[in-house]
Amino acid sequence: QKEVEQNSGPLSVPEGAIASLNCTYSDRGSQSFFWYRQYSGKSPELIMFIYSNGDKEDGRFTAQLNKASQYVSLLIRDSQPSDSATYLCAVNAGGGNKLTFGTGTQLKVEL
Amino acid sequence: GAVVSQHPSRVICKSGTSVKIECRSLDFQATTMFWYRQFPKKSLMLMATSNEGSKATYEQGVEKDKFLINHASLTLSTLTVTSAHPEDSSFYICSARRLAGSTDTQYFGPGTRLTVL
Repeated sequence: QKEVEQNSGPLSVPEGAIASLNCTYSDRGSQSFFWYRQYSGKSPELIMFIYSNGDKEDGRFTAQLNKASQYVSLLIRDSQPSDSATYLCAVNAGGGNKLTFGTGTQLKVEL
Repeated sequence: GAVVSQHPSRVICKSGTSVKIECRSLDFQATTMFWYRQFPKKSLMLMATSNEGSKATYEQGVEKDKFLINHASLTLSTLTVTSAHPEDSSFYICSARRLAGSTDTQYFGPGTRLTVL
């Protein structure tokens, strides 16, 4: 079982819709959870982090964490074509300083 | 967000030469930086953890004598690819760990695309 799992996609949503990206992780001791956005040919950009169960909102982005079920999700409201990218879920497992990344979900926002 | 720079952004070199890549945290101090490699359409692969003032910690399968890491200051880490070969061609990305109050996050540099001929 992979430590951090994501559906590779592509996930296609129409412009203006809500995009929902999901991630599951295997280490119950994980404490910190991150979402990065990576455009093709570019490096990852941090867009959200969450430490506690529940929702965390930042603009059009909402991160949701459920430690009991070991999943973290990212919602993007009012999706725009510029949101088209690969979204990487990362987990700081075991309290260490290393991040374990999922393979990413490719999001396509269509006009 | 925090700013991390990398230099050069792109390098082409001949097989057998060495290439140095610099990673700088511009607006915060980073005792820990990380070096990743990413092949096309693949996920990030952590190569090593760079610790200021001490030896780097390499991931399993990464040759420490080939990928030399130096973290001489709180804002600079360097990765030197020694005796580069075509199979070393990849996208190398650094990140810097930022500790601010209760938050512990990593910010990535823009990456260096290495092509070995």
